[in-house]
Amino acid sequence: AQSVTQPDIHITVSEGASLELRCNYSYGATPYLFWYVQSPGQGLQLLLKYFSGDTLVQGIKGFEAEFKRSQSSFNLRKPSVHWSDAAEYFCAVGAKSGGGADGLTFGKGTHLIIQP
Amino acid sequence: NAGVTQTPKFQVLKTGQSMTLQCAQDMNHNSMYWYRQDPGMGLRLIYYSASEGTTDKGEVPNGYNVSRLNKREFSLRLESAAPSQTSVYFCASIGLQGRNSPLHFGNGTRLTVT
Repeated sequence: AQSVTQPDIHITVSEGASLELRCNYSYGATPYLFWYVQSPGQGLQLLLKYFSGDTLVQGIKGFEAEFKRSQSSFNLRKPSVHWSDAAEYFCAVGAKSGGGADGLTFGKGTHLIIQP
Repeated sequence: NAGVTQTPKFQVLKTGQSMTLQCAQDMNHNSMYWYRQDPGMGLRLIYYSASEGTTDKGEVPNGYNVSRLNKREFSLRLESAAPSQTSVYFCASIGLQGRNSPLHFGNGTRLTVT
């Protein structure tokens, strides 16, 4: 069965500092990986996705993520965070269709706090 | 673009009451999903519908039923609500399988069962 682990429940970063959110997955085949962001009271918005090809993927809002098959990781990074980046971040893994008939499996989320 | 629309946004129920959460998408997507989100648990799949006329259980289906009324609409029903069903419920949809498309989410329904 597929699973996603986000080791950090909370992360606090100063505004302007760099950010890395960790994600490890377990999946039997080539995974399709996603990062979503959720602002308070909102639904989930897709930041970026990896299906194949270049292992460094660029997303919206200046985020990027790197797929490392040897480490089963898909960590999210941003060079310089803004106060508006404070939110909940979810990593997810899915079947080859990008969601598949059985949907995505989500990590438990990382709550990002931005210090002024 | 409306995307995925969920109603209601908020609901309070008493234990034993029933209700239906509505979800509609206007993107001509084939597959639709219901997730619940609980603190520290992430999102867990309740039911999904791979196409019109089909539904399947997800990770946490107990206490819920679903109906894929047509291609646009996928409803979630609680027949006898329990406090353990207090949660935020998200509907999502996705386009044709095999395409590089992500899940599109609604803004959620916040349900409290007292």
